[in-house]
Amino acid sequence: DTAVSQTPKYLVTQMGNDKSIKCEQNLGHDTMYWYKQDSKKFLKIMFSYNNKELIINETVPNRFSPKSPDKAHLNLHINSLELGDSAVYFCASSLALLGTEAFFGQGTRLTVV
Amino acid sequence: TQLLEQSPQFLSIQEGENLTVYCNSSSVFSSLQWYRQEPGEGPVLLVTVVTGGEVKKLKRLTFQFGDARKDSSLHITAAQPGDTGLYLCAGYSNAGKSTFGDGTTLTVKP
Repeated sequence: DTAVSQTPKYLVTQMGNDKSIKCEQNLGHDTMYWYKQDSKKFLKIMFSYNNKELIINETVPNRFSPKSPDKAHLNLHINSLELGDSAVYFCASSLALLGTEAFFGQGTRLTVV
Repeated sequence: TQLLEQSPQFLSIQEGENLTVYCNSSSVFSSLQWYRQEPGEGPVLLVTVVTGGEVKKLKRLTFQFGDARKDSSLHITAAQPGDTGLYLCAGYSNAGKSTFGDGTTLTVKP
């Protein structure tokens, strides 16, 4: 069983489209995250959710909207996709917010053309 | 914004050599983690250090947290091709916010 699974693994779409990436964790963790990894491998946190509540929202365009229907799921919806949104997006979860081990999904490679 | 700088950015060595990767910041962190990421996969946790001056060993890997909790190092002894990957340090603030370093890509040639 995959601990943190995200779908799709690859996503190619045109500029201006709206797309969603789904994430589910079966670890019973309270905290979930979305990270963006750019072409230079720099990993930057976008959002943190704890018990379905938004805790950390970095400086991310409001075209990005996370949604957590329950503790096990954190989906990411992106409106009006731009070329600069191309990156690998990682979902992760951890037992708690304060520096505990984060378990990462395999990533979703988003390419905007 | 807390920044973490890793050095070197790229490292290519022969099997059997030793190496050290550094992670530096001007900010103090409540804890610091090291992750290893392989191509097409997400990062996987190697270690968490919490106490200033702490040293942790994981087989051939030795991790050290600076006394002031602003920096850390990862030392690998007798590197093997299986150690190849992207090494990321991540610092955590008291508020739980994580900041990742810019990564060190290690290639160990047989």
